[in-house]
Amino acid sequence: DAGVTQSPTHLIKTRGQQVTLRCSPKSGHDTVSWYQQALGQGPQFIFQYYEEEERQRGNFPDRFSGHQFPNYSSELNVNALLLGDSALYLCASSARVRGNTIYFGEGSWLTVV
Amino acid sequence: LAKTTQPISMDSYEGQEVNITCSHNNIATNDYITWYQQFPSQGPRFIIQGYKTKVTNEVASLFIPADRKSSTLSLPRVSLSDTAVYYCLVGGGQYSGAGSYQLTFGKGTKLSVIP
Repeated sequence: DAGVTQSPTHLIKTRGQQVTLRCSPKSGHDTVSWYQQALGQGPQFIFQYYEEEERQRGNFPDRFSGHQFPNYSSELNVNALLLGDSALYLCASSARVRGNTIYFGEGSWLTVV
Repeated sequence: LAKTTQPISMDSYEGQEVNITCSHNNIATNDYITWYQQFPSQGPRFIIQGYKTKVTNEVASLFIPADRKSSTLSLPRVSLSDTAVYYCLVGGGQYSGAGSYQLTFGKGTKLSVIP
């Protein structure tokens, strides 16, 4: 049973560019969340998708957007990249039942230069 | 969202039992308590989750007192490979049609295991 998978694992972008990160949830999970983790900090919640709609959003600007597909996989898009967007981006998946555990992928390392 | 407080860092020798306590005074009735382990440059790894009393799995035990305002993660006989950051989180008690719960991470506890 594959866990949460993310791609790419590492990438380097130039300031002002756009990036798309991808996530496949754990089998049986229908809810996907994205987190940003800066160096030395805990992960910060970006947003959550369920039934192909954004359900909750953290304190992130509109430059951060996402999408969920019918197969529950998800994409995170970041436009107009800033140097401060350099971070580990984590995808987490869960099933929409009380007490269900959230599982994380290994993350995508984004470096903006 | 319930806030958690845990020690910033802990040191332990190999082979010892380590107990990390987390306080969550405003935990909601339906919230669960979940602990994650994170190594540098990797995603958080689920360790254990509980609601009340004691939960044990193959890697750890979780002790939750009756008032649920705190919890203690117990790692038996730690090894060097247990050196990591440990996060305590609360949530997951209920889902609604409009949204679901999000995890609010603190800074975690950096555990250093010494040979």
